[in-house]
Amino acid sequence: TAGITQAPTSQILAAGRSMTLRCTQDMRHNAMYWYRQDLGLGLRLIHYSNTAGTTGKGEVPDGYSVSRANTDDFPLTLASAVPSQTSVYFCASSGLGGSDTQYFGPGTRLTVL
Amino acid sequence: GQNIDQPTEMTATEGAIVQINCTYQTSGFNGLFWYQQHAGEAPTFLSYNVLDGLEEKGRFSSFLSRSKGYSYLLLKELQMKDSASYLCAVSSNDYKLSFGAGTTVTVRA
Repeated sequence: TAGITQAPTSQILAAGRSMTLRCTQDMRHNAMYWYRQDLGLGLRLIHYSNTAGTTGKGEVPDGYSVSRANTDDFPLTLASAVPSQTSVYFCASSGLGGSDTQYFGPGTRLTVL
Repeated sequence: GQNIDQPTEMTATEGAIVQINCTYQTSGFNGLFWYQQHAGEAPTFLSYNVLDGLEEKGRFSSFLSRSKGYSYLLLKELQMKDSASYLCAVSSNDYKLSFGAGTTVTVRA
């Protein structure tokens, strides 16, 4: 069972370049999320989507954009990368209830130089 | 805003018990999750509490006191494979999760 997949696994990017991190789930979950994880700060929500066609801003949305054209895919785009966006990025999905567990993808390790 | 606190690191011996505390202050509450995260891997679900009391699941148990804004994760009969980070996360009114910074548990032989 695939669950959630992310691509690429890792990437080194020059500052100022754009990049799209891909996320696909096969669990037919309505909700999808993007987090970044930095040492000592834990997981912080970047953007989320409660259903296809809608998106919302999380705690740290600046410099990132998302789209949700269908249920399965939720790409995250960095329009012009900066070194402070060096992080590990996790995509997650869940049902819409408060008790619904979020399931995480394997993560993308991004280094911006 | 959300404020979730947990210890940064804990060390314990194989076979022992470790208790990881989590305190929280959030705007609205729809339950508390614990996740396990091994180094270089994704977080995986351990437990969910929405009512006060203890939930037991094999070697792992999780406790919640809503009035005190407090939870703990209890790991019994520690094994080397339990060395990992343990993340406390609170679901608020909009069902979004807010995570603590995580507690790194090191199990020593």
